[in-house]
Amino acid sequence: EAGVTQFPSHSVIEKGQTVTLRCDPISGHDNLYWYRRVMGKEIKFLLHFVKESKQDESGMPNNRFLAERTGGTYSTLKVQPAELEDSGVYFCASSLRVMNTEAFFGQGTRLTVV
Amino acid sequence: AQTVTQSQPEMSVQEAETVTLSCTYDTSESNYYLFWYKQPPSRQMILVIRQEAYKQQNATENRFSVNFQKAAKSFSLKISDSQLGDTAMYFCAFMRVNRDDKIIFGKGTRLHILP
Repeated sequence: EAGVTQFPSHSVIEKGQTVTLRCDPISGHDNLYWYRRVMGKEIKFLLHFVKESKQDESGMPNNRFLAERTGGTYSTLKVQPAELEDSGVYFCASSLRVMNTEAFFGQGTRLTVV
Repeated sequence: AQTVTQSQPEMSVQEAETVTLSCTYDTSESNYYLFWYKQPPSRQMILVIRQEAYKQQNATENRFSVNFQKAAKSFSLKISDSQLGDTAMYFCAFMRVNRDDKIIFGKGTRLHILP
């Protein structure tokens, strides 16, 4: 069974450009999470989908970030326009149930804004 | 607010040695989960071990074990007979029970196993 997959693995963009990150959760997992790790800091929660609905988006830094999960399958996280401080590693995770203590993570997308 | 602190940014040990990674946390909750996650270079982050706060017995998974000191809010990870494949970034993490679904992570410890 495929794990959580994220695309692309790396992205380098210029400040002001738009980038879209994609996450494919494990098939059948209704819960999908986005996290971000800024260099040298903690991995921080961004948001949580249950199927196609945003359950919790309290960690989204600002309105330049837009997450979608149309159809309750894969999710995208768009940053528009990107700023230097958006650089970091973006992780996606999925779990079968809410409050499931075993969330499966992807390998992350390393975003560099120059 | 909950916080997780890993005081060792980087560590190196020889293969076959035992290594202990430190983690402390702060919370006012009485029931929660603690985790250690491992992320090998360019690989997916995987769960190494999980501890439920209401269980006094320390969790173990093969060569990985924890020393959970609830009163001290300490949750260290011991890796016995370390192997080259243990080289990775290790994250200590916390999650409240029945409150929300967020995992709160520490900054991580980069562990190098030397041949």
